Amino acid sequence: DAGITQSPRHKVTETGTPVTLRCHQTENHRYMYWYRQDPGHGLRLIHYSYGVKDTDKGEVSDGYSVSRSKTEDFLLTLESATSSQTSVYFCAISDPTDRGHYNEQFFGPGTRLTVL
Amino acid sequence: AQKVTQAQTEISVVEKEDVTLDCVYETRDTTYYLFWYKQPPSGELVFLIRRNSFDEQNEISGRYSWNFQKSTSSFNFTITASQVVDSAVYFCALRGGGFKTIFGAGTRLFVKA
Repeated sequence: DAGITQSPRHKVTETGTPVTLRCHQTENHRYMYWYRQDPGHGLRLIHYSYGVKDTDKGEVSDGYSVSRSKTEDFLLTLESATSSQTSVYFCAISDPTDRGHYNEQFFGPGTRLTVL
Repeated sequence: AQKVTQAQTEISVVEKEDVTLDCVYETRDTTYYLFWYKQPPSGELVFLIRRNSFDEQNEISGRYSWNFQKSTSSFNFTITASQVVDSAVYFCALRGGGFKTIFGAGTRLFVKA
């Protein structure tokens, strides 16, 4: 299994509070991603990173920010949590193949966030 | 725009039955990648297979097989002789020329003993 951890694994917070989720990898993969999983929507991309300090928005980025200061860590921040951000958050990593083709993603165990 | 449709929300079968999970995709990219992932009740996401758009060979891995047809933009997944341990949510996903992977909504498979 790919070495990906997420912390915390569970969190309950109140509306309006800031929240930071951490993704840590030991695989030295270049690309990292944050997804949220909600019933009926599959996984939706929030933000992704293609290198240290290189990040970009996904399809549901409003209300979220990210930072990547080291290859192994990718942080997701909810500046002011809202109830609509209650979800399961997954981090993923990937690396291109030797031929430059896109590889599959490996996922962390997920973080269940509840915003009251 | 890219899109992945998994029309089957839930499927219920009895153990040892064969079951096919459908996946239809849309993309304008000429080079793209298709994936299947499994999410068992424990919640983790497990990679099953990747298929490149330039490789239409079908794939068989034990009881699992995948049928990729560009003509119908489909990448269907068949489980032969299903087992209770196959009970999970299965996601089909598509990545085109960029970094973004688009996931279908998933198909929940129940295999009853």
